[in-house]
Amino acid sequence: DAGVTQSPTHLIKTRGQQVTLRCSPKSGHDTVSWYQQALGQGPQFIFQYYEEEERQRGNFPDRFSGHQFPNYSSELNVNALLLGDSALYLCASRVQGFRTGELFFGEGSRLTVL
Amino acid sequence: DAKTTQPPSMDCAEGRAANLPCNHSTISGNEYVYWYRQIHSQGPQYIIHGLKNNETNEMASLIITEDRKSSTLILPHATLRDTAVYYCIVRVLQVGSQGNLIFGKGTKLSVKP
Repeated sequence: DAGVTQSPTHLIKTRGQQVTLRCSPKSGHDTVSWYQQALGQGPQFIFQYYEEEERQRGNFPDRFSGHQFPNYSSELNVNALLLGDSALYLCASRVQGFRTGELFFGEGSRLTVL
Repeated sequence: DAKTTQPPSMDCAEGRAANLPCNHSTISGNEYVYWYRQIHSQGPQYIIHGLKNNETNEMASLIITEDRKSSTLILPHATLRDTAVYYCIVRVLQVGSQGNLIFGKGTKLSVKP
């Protein structure tokens, strides 16, 4: 049973560019969340997708956007990259409405902005 | 969600019990205590959660004080592979809840031979 998979694992971009990160949730999961983790910090919630809609959003600017596809996979897009966007981007999945609330995380995509 | 306070780091000898404390003095009646850990270069991993009763699973035990203002995660026989950052999180759990977690900086546990 494949867990949460993310791609790419590492990438380097320059300021002003745009990036797309991809996530496939754990089998049977229908809800995907994205987190940003700066070096030495805990993960910070970006947003959550369910039924192809953004359901909740953390304190991130509109440069951060996402999408969820009918097969529940998801993309995170970041426009006009800043140096401060350098971080590990984590995807997490769960089953909507399932009471335990346990999230399963992927291993992340490490973005470096030069 | 209530705020949590954890020591920034702890050491533990291999084979001994690791006891990781967490203070959550402002926790409300409908908030659960969750523990996740993050091994270097990996995503966070769920460990255990509880409301007010002590909980145990194959990974760890969770002890919550009677007033629910603090808790302790216990790894009964720590191994080198338990070296990680451990996060204590409190959140409301309900059907349809949004599922986002608020992480602090956690406790970096170093298990030493």
